[in-house]
Amino acid sequence: KQEVTQIPAALSVPEGENLVLNCSFTDSAIYNLQWFRQDPGKGLTSLLLIQSSQREQTSGRLNASLDKSSGRSTLYIAASQPGDSATYLCAVAGGFKTIFGAGTRLFVKA
Amino acid sequence: DVKVTQSSRYLVKRTGEKVFLECVQDMDHENMFWYRQDPGLGLRLIYFSYDVKMKEKGDIPEGYSVSREKKERFSLILESASTNQTSMYLCASSLRQAALGYTFGSGTRLTVV
Repeated sequence: KQEVTQIPAALSVPEGENLVLNCSFTDSAIYNLQWFRQDPGKGLTSLLLIQSSQREQTSGRLNASLDKSSGRSTLYIAASQPGDSATYLCAVAGGFKTIFGAGTRLFVKA
Repeated sequence: DVKVTQSSRYLVKRTGEKVFLECVQDMDHENMFWYRQDPGLGLRLIYFSYDVKMKEKGDIPEGYSVSREKKERFSLILESASTNQTSMYLCASSLRQAALGYTFGSGTRLTVV
């Protein structure tokens, strides 16, 4: 049974810092891994999707990597801004189910 | 851009009412999902559908039912709303095997009083 863990649960950083969010999963037989952002009271917005055959994806200041053999993905945010404050979730798709992590709540201080 | 539209952002209903939450997607996705999200419990799958008129129970189907009469529309029904169904409800869609990932709607915040 796939389990997805996100560490840390919460993170507070000063503006401008580069940071890494972690997502680990127990079953490496996955189709893809997706990172989402969720603002309070809103739905999930897709940030990056990494297919199982890929190692990383980049969008602007965001870079996501995938290492299936170790069951890990990282989301790197460069030069963080207060507008990056949100909860970040990873989702691992495999078989007939997609499993979501509990998320990392990020607060970027101005 | 794929769009998943949930008909209401906020709803307030009375205990015992029958409640309909509507979700429509415009990209011909086969799969559609209903989740609820509560603080400390994360996303929990209520029901999902792989095709028209097909439905499968998720992890917490009790007290809910669904309907998918057309490919683009997936409805969540609370047969008799209770206060413990106060929650954020999120609809999502995807291609088979989530080949291009999930797309979520903006959510419906339901309060049952």
